[in-house]
Amino acid sequence: TQLLEQSPQFLSIQEGENLTVYCNSSSVFSSLQWYRQEPGEGPVLLVTVVTGGEVKKLKRLTFQFGDARKDSSLHITAAQPGDTGLYLCAGAGAGGTSYGKLTFGQGTILTVHP
Amino acid sequence: EPEVTQTPSHQVTQMGQEVILRCVPISNHLYFYWYRQILGQKVEFLVSFYNNEISEKSEIFDDQFSVERPDGSNFTLKIRSTKLEDSAMYFCASRGQPGNGYTFGSGTRLTVV
Repeated sequence: TQLLEQSPQFLSIQEGENLTVYCNSSSVFSSLQWYRQEPGEGPVLLVTVVTGGEVKKLKRLTFQFGDARKDSSLHITAAQPGDTGLYLCAGAGAGGTSYGKLTFGQGTILTVHP
Repeated sequence: EPEVTQTPSHQVTQMGQEVILRCVPISNHLYFYWYRQILGQKVEFLVSFYNNEISEKSEIFDDQFSVERPDGSNFTLKIRSTKLEDSAMYFCASRGQPGNGYTFGSGTRLTVV
């Protein structure tokens, strides 16, 4: 069973601060995805990282995949109130027998105060 | 932007009744999934479907659950005899090639009373 531990579970910061969310596992994933989920809606894909050590930037968001493909981080620079929401990491299983089943972390509820 | 469409958005059913949750995935996608999210808990994998058959399923996906893609467009999840613990948000998702991101629908909130 592949588990993803996401931390912190809750994050409350002031506008302009930086923050990092972590996802860790003892398992190797073929890819790691980050989603944002609004209340009552489905997860919306932000980014997919595939290669160990890969870094992707999406405006003020920086995503990194660990060298061993077991962990990932999401860093937000100069957070804004519009960043408030639930952030989810999800790993796609390694190995040819997996048809892309995603294992989700618990989620991080981010609140950015003006 | 292509979407995954789910209906209904909310379904209330009595314990023991059958429900069918419907999804229209993105038309050129090849892999289809159902996930569920019990209130306050993680999103959990239920089943994946590829090449017109189930490719993988979780322990949750027991004999009470089934999936179909009857007409090459719709993708349905059936729960034969609902239990109280089946109350959750059910999300359909699809993706194109391996390594591509997933597109999730907005979900169906199932309430079993």
